[in-house]
Amino acid sequence: AQTVTQSQPEMSVQEAETVTLSCTYDTSESNYYLFWYKQPPSRQMILVIRQEAYKQQNATENRFSVNFQKAAKSFSLKISDSQLGDTAMYFCAFTDRGGSEKLVFGKGMKLTVNP
Amino acid sequence: DTEVTQTPKHLVMGMTNKKSLKCEQHMGHRAMYWYKQKAKKPPELMFVYSYEKLSINESVPSRFSPECPNSSLLNLHLHALQPEDSALYLCASSQKTSASSDTQYFGPGTRLTVL
Repeated sequence: AQTVTQSQPEMSVQEAETVTLSCTYDTSESNYYLFWYKQPPSRQMILVIRQEAYKQQNATENRFSVNFQKAAKSFSLKISDSQLGDTAMYFCAFTDRGGSEKLVFGKGMKLTVNP
Repeated sequence: DTEVTQTPKHLVMGMTNKKSLKCEQHMGHRAMYWYKQKAKKPPELMFVYSYEKLSINESVPSRFSPECPNSSLLNLHLHALQPEDSALYLCASSQKTSASSDTQYFGPGTRLTVL
């Protein structure tokens, strides 16, 4: 069974700083997708970034980038130039390409950006 | 456009009431999902509909009854709920094609309180 681990329950950072959120996963699959979702206090779950396991290049989306280490089964999220609006719960998630239709979530990490 | 809509935003119901939650998407997605989320926890999968057929039921109690009338609409019928069923109910959808990442896009959720 696949598992996703987010070992840091909570972090805080000052506005404009850079922060890295860690995520590790366990799977026997070779082809899969990894995601970071953000859930602000409004509770809407928003897709931040997506990584396809067969792509070696790390995904980037504006201020958000990932460090994908397939051999180490690590998938960290870097947020550059943190903004107050980045305050949210962040969930790392996994799904395989076999069409299992299941998204496996980590426990989440609460990020607070301070002014 | 990656919009999934959910109504109502908030719902308060007694244990003897019957109510329904509604989810809609117009992105042409062929898979739709219901999740239950408790505070500070990741979403828990309840049901998956794939091409309007129920493909996954995660052993959800029968007081929750899903329905998928067409490819754009997903309902969750509620009857004789318990106070512990109070939670945020999230709907999601994904493309469900062999070439897709099956990225799930979430709606804003319905906050349910059972008295």
